[in-house]
Amino acid sequence: AQKITQTQPGMFVQEKEAVTLDCTYDTSDQSYGLFWYKQPSSGEMIFLIYQGSYDEQNATEGRYSLNFQKARKSANLVISASQLGDSAMYFCAMREGWGQGAQKLVFGQGTRLTINP
Amino acid sequence: DGGITQSPKYLFRKEGQNVTLSCEQNLNHDAMYWYRQDPGQGLRLIYYSQIVNDFQKGDIAEGYSVSREKKESFPLTVTSAQKNPTAFYLCASSMGLAESYEQYFGPGTRLTVT
Repeated sequence: AQKITQTQPGMFVQEKEAVTLDCTYDTSDQSYGLFWYKQPSSGEMIFLIYQGSYDEQNATEGRYSLNFQKARKSANLVISASQLGDSAMYFCAMREGWGQGAQKLVFGQGTRLTINP
Repeated sequence: DGGITQSPKYLFRKEGQNVTLSCEQNLNHDAMYWYRQDPGQGLRLIYYSQIVNDFQKGDIAEGYSVSREKKESFPLTVTSAQKNPTAFYLCASSMGLAESYEQYFGPGTRLTVT
């Protein structure tokens, strides 16, 4: 069964608009972490933002924010004021458990975001 | 500058040959990881290591082997037993065991086996 589901294979947005990338997850753990990564065409994965399951506030990092709805098991990434350089693949990932050694991340299939000028 | 180095960026091999992908980090991170990415897909964990001389299988370890003789280095060998080795391989590291520690990724190696 899919643990991370990203239902939008591709998104097209006008420059300067806000965009929301969807992510739903499936876990029975009480403690888990959710990550968003950006992958430009060069291939390198760039960390964007993190949300812990016990965090009461939604995470924010500059233009990135995470809309965390625990009861719905969703962790959507919101990018405000999109820029041409935001065009890339975006991956949602989850780490389950607490204190279990190295992080074992499970990734979704990704969403390809294209920003139009 | 601290970071993760993977070499080479592109690698071509004939079917039936073993090939070793290099991964070096100078971030002083304890944990290291290898992922595989197929076109249009997310990353899947091959192997990971929490400390030197210790490593565990990930979700798709069959046909791969690793070693962790030094903290800085975590090479991955793609053996001839791996049935579909052509893919993009990414190495990563993280600071330690805390849940919130993000993984830092290298630039990747694109392996083509014909």
